[in-house]
Amino acid sequence: GAGVSQSPSNKVTEKGKDVELRCDPISGHTALYWYRQSLGQGLEFLIYFQGNSAPDKSGLPSDRFSAERTGGSVSTLTIQRTQQEDSAVYLCASSPGPGQNYGYTFGSGTRLTVV
Amino acid sequence: AQKVTQAQTEISVVEKEDVTLDCVYETRDTTYYLFWYKQPPSGELVFLIRRNSFDEQNEISGRYSWNFQKSTSSFNFTITASQVVDSAVYFCALISYSSASKIIFGSGTRLSIRP
Repeated sequence: GAGVSQSPSNKVTEKGKDVELRCDPISGHTALYWYRQSLGQGLEFLIYFQGNSAPDKSGLPSDRFSAERTGGSVSTLTIQRTQQEDSAVYLCASSPGPGQNYGYTFGSGTRLTVV
Repeated sequence: AQKVTQAQTEISVVEKEDVTLDCVYETRDTTYYLFWYKQPPSGELVFLIRRNSFDEQNEISGRYSWNFQKSTSSFNFTITASQVVDSAVYFCALISYSSASKIIFGSGTRLSIRP
């Protein structure tokens, strides 16, 4: 597609429920990143995919968080047993390749609210 | 360690004033890229500029200009003749050779332009 697409744009869930957030990167972009932005805060790195593998998942805050990518394209970030502190905007970005030589294009994010 | 510091949390100026957003970075790598992103109220991160560590030439794009000084590890951003539409959160970011899988973001500066 023309840009990075994320869905849903907004999600309200009850504490303890599982949620799935989806990211459709720009077609042909092999690198995909998830970031989290809590209210009034900067962007916190969560995980990086190159193709379908995740060489760097160091930013996942707990084992309740997991992510996968299939077909070198769509990625899903899953949060199990959501907690109120999980409330944030989850941003996805893609890049033609890994590293510093490429620009990153961000999606509009999914605003997650845990009540 | 890689780090980006944006000491100015919030700035408010009257329209048509010039404003400079500060960014100081830390990295031990000699090869790295610096970025500025704009995040308007809509939430999407908009790429503004990327500058590599070997190019200290200042850049001007319309009302925007960037001053990269390796001697002080700074990459400051100036908006000339500010407009209300410039109101947004601005993030400075770094990606370096040793952390090629992720961008390190500063905490952002919220810029408000008053009419």
